[in-house]
Amino acid sequence: SQTIHQWPATLVQPVGSPLSLECTVEGTSNPNLYWYRQAAGRGLQLLFYSVGIGQISSEVPQNLSASRPQDRQFILSSKKLLLSDSGFYLCAWSASYEQYFGPGTRLTVT
Amino acid sequence: AQSVTQLDSQVPVFEEAPVELRCNYSSSVSVYLFWYVQYPNQGLQLLLKYLSGSTLVKGINGFEAEFNKSQTSFHLRKPSVHISDTAEYFCAVQANAGGTSYGKLTFGQGTILTVHP
Repeated sequence: SQTIHQWPATLVQPVGSPLSLECTVEGTSNPNLYWYRQAAGRGLQLLFYSVGIGQISSEVPQNLSASRPQDRQFILSSKKLLLSDSGFYLCAWSASYEQYFGPGTRLTVT
Repeated sequence: AQSVTQLDSQVPVFEEAPVELRCNYSSSVSVYLFWYVQYPNQGLQLLLKYLSGSTLVKGINGFEAEFNKSQTSFHLRKPSVHISDTAEYFCAVQANAGGTSYGKLTFGQGTILTVHP
């Protein structure tokens, strides 16, 4: 069966520090991968999606970036965090119509 | 482009009462429809989906939803809720438009269901 992992589970970072969040999927090949952000009291906002290694599409202009160095690995990064980057970050994968979500990373920028 | 409106931000109900969480969508193309549930500090879990066929779809945990194309709605229902159903529920749509949609989901703002004893 397929599983999706995210780490770390929680993270507290100062403004201006770098960020790296990792997502890995097991049990499937060549999945579509997605990064979402969920801010307090809001719905989910799609940040990036990838249909293959090295193929990244950005949905929203921001100071975040994403990379897919391996088929089942998706990384979310920032060189300098802003207060507005705080939120709950969710990775998801799909091989068909529905998406399956990871457990999420709670990021607090102080 | 698609948009999703969840008409109630919060729905309080008593245990064993029926509940309906409302979802309306807008799209210029046909869509696939989904309901997800999120428990505190967890990821989203798929409750049910409508892809085609019967407009009444059944999901996990006793939930069901009905697709109404003329009213562009996909309301979620459960005849008798439990305390454990307390969570946030998200309606989502995906364009059925071929290659370029890449399975992208557009989510509503969520409805917090609180079940009281």
